[in-house]
Amino acid sequence: DQQVKQNSPSLSVQEGRISILNCDYTNSMFDYFLWYKKYPAEGPTFLISISSIKDKNEDGRFTVFLNKSAKHLSLHIVPSQPGDSAVYFCAAPQGPNSGGYQKVTFGIGTKLQVIP
Amino acid sequence: NAGVTQTPKFQVLKTGQSMTLQCAQDMNHEYMSWYRQDPGMGLRLIHYSVGAGITDQGEVPNGYNVSRSTTEDFPLRLLSAAPSQTSVYFCATRQGQHYEQYFGPGTRLTVT
Repeated sequence: DQQVKQNSPSLSVQEGRISILNCDYTNSMFDYFLWYKKYPAEGPTFLISISSIKDKNEDGRFTVFLNKSAKHLSLHIVPSQPGDSAVYFCAAPQGPNSGGYQKVTFGIGTKLQVIP
Repeated sequence: NAGVTQTPKFQVLKTGQSMTLQCAQDMNHEYMSWYRQDPGMGLRLIHYSVGAGITDQGEVPNGYNVSRSTTEDFPLRLLSAAPSQTSVYFCATRQGQHYEQYFGPGTRLTVT
């Protein structure tokens, strides 16, 4: 049972336009979410995160929106650049950060292609 | 700082062979984890460690062993390789009070 779902395996966007990557979750206990970016032959790198006490977090061209009632979050990239072409993973720790180890559930990823 | 390093980058094994995937970090992070990535699946946790001498199982631990004798190193051992273990393996570290993980570049393993 996938608790974190990325239903779009791929997305193509023109350079300069907005890219919107979506993620749905089923576990209402999730209270923190992260996005990772992965280039081919490299490990994932942390991109941006959001706590459930917020509905938006922005970092430069990247903004993550959280809709708790819909159990949905999205990553917006504006404007999209060719260097943003990568696989993007949505992830959620299974429990609060109270000092112990939290296992993290990852989505299957969405491959973004930004066309010059 | 090298961050998280993994060796080897590529490996081909025959069924039944054993090997160790190496992972080392120089960030003094207490938490270390091993994941595998397969097509159509997210990253799945194999084993993890919360400090030297302490390890535990993740979601898919069968066929793998780990140990953590130092903060820096967290090797993953395949006891008797099977074709189902063909995958890309990532090591990751995390500082306890933060959720973000730092991943190594990965090891691509093929078992024939």
